[in-house]
Amino acid sequence: DAGVTQSPTHLIKTRGQQVTLRCSPKSGHDTVSWYQQALGQGPQFIFQYYEEEERQRGNFPDRFSGHQFPNYSSELNVNALLLGDSALYLCASSFAGGPYNEQFFGPGTRLTVL
Amino acid sequence: GESVGLHLPTLSVQEGDNSIINCAYSNSASDYFIWYKQESGKGPQFIIDIRSNMDKRQGQRVTVLLNKTVKHLSLQIAATQPGDSAVYFCAEGPPGATNKLIFGTGTLLAVQP
Repeated sequence: DAGVTQSPTHLIKTRGQQVTLRCSPKSGHDTVSWYQQALGQGPQFIFQYYEEEERQRGNFPDRFSGHQFPNYSSELNVNALLLGDSALYLCASSFAGGPYNEQFFGPGTRLTVL
Repeated sequence: GESVGLHLPTLSVQEGDNSIINCAYSNSASDYFIWYKQESGKGPQFIIDIRSNMDKRQGQRVTVLLNKTVKHLSLQIAATQPGDSAVYFCAEGPPGATNKLIFGTGTLLAVQP
């Protein structure tokens, strides 16, 4: 059973560009959350997708957007990249079957903005 | 892989000793708490969780203690092994949004052989 997978592993972009990151949830999971982790810090919640809709959002600007597909996989899009967007982007999946949903994290995508 | 341990509080222990990692959480109404382990170059790995109606929960070699009075969470690791070396994060799930995890700053556990 594959866990959460993310692609690509690493990505280098320049300021102003746009980027798309991808996530496939763990088998049986239907909810995907995205987190940003700056170096030396804990992950920060960006948003969560369930039933192909954004359900919850953290304190991130509209430059950060996402999508969830019918197969539960998800994309994170970031427009007009800033140097401060350089971070490890983590995807976590869970099953929305109860009030306390254990989240399984993927290995992340390391984004470097030059 | 990248290091997630820069500028983090560090706990250094000898192999075989018990480790205690502490965490203060922010929202007194949070009702779900989790400990994650993150090794260099990897995503966070679930260790153990606890709900607000409990004050202690035990797993294999790990125990989590919750003190709601002072908003404090701790992770105890028995007989610490070199493979336990990693950054440990506590996370809280706010009421009504338990999936919207709020992570602490993390503690680097360094196990000396």
